[in-house]
Amino acid sequence: AQKVTQAQTEISVVEKEDVTLDCVYETRDTTYYLFWYKQPPSGELVFLIRRNSFDEQNEISGRYSWNFQKSTSSFNFTITASQVVDSAVYFCALSEILRSNYQLIWGAGTKLIIKP
Amino acid sequence: GAVVSQHPSWVICKSGTSVKIECRSLDFQATTMFWYRQFPKQSLMLMATSNEGSKATYEQGVEKDKFLINHASLTLSTLTVTSAHPEDSSFYICSARTGGTLLGEAFFGQGTRLTVV
Repeated sequence: AQKVTQAQTEISVVEKEDVTLDCVYETRDTTYYLFWYKQPPSGELVFLIRRNSFDEQNEISGRYSWNFQKSTSSFNFTITASQVVDSAVYFCALSEILRSNYQLIWGAGTKLIIKP
Repeated sequence: GAVVSQHPSWVICKSGTSVKIECRSLDFQATTMFWYRQFPKQSLMLMATSNEGSKATYEQGVEKDKFLINHASLTLSTLTVTSAHPEDSSFYICSARTGGTLLGEAFFGQGTRLTVV
């Protein structure tokens, strides 16, 4: 069963548009972590955010913001005023505390293309 | 802090040879290391998990004799692709975990692009 779902395979927008990447997760644990990573063409994973299940506050970091809603099991990521440098594949991941070694469960990724 | 260095970044080898990929935690002790494989346009696929000093736990479908993992110290884990074949060509990524206040964090190496010709 898919535990982390990123339904959007690819999104293409024009620079300066806002874009939201969706992430829906499934877990029975009450304690867990959610992550977002960026993977540019170079391949190196860039950590964006980690959120624990007890912290439902939305977070904003510059042009990036995250909306965590436990009621809908979603952890969506919004880029405001997108830039060409935001083009990358973005992964959402789940880490369940009860799961051995805090293994990450990955979504399929969303490829974001920002056109100039 | 919490830097993971993976080496080499890319390697081209001949079919039938073995290739070793190193993953080092530079400023922390990695109690657990994860090795992932990523095919083009796909997500990360966990290959194995290793704890320092013990044998790696391989995911279903991953050949342990082909992908040898050694986690000899708290700062070094190696993945050796033995008798490599073109189908082993892929992007390999290591990840390290530690404890304490960083428990739950995952730190990634830069990845190794392996091409077997």
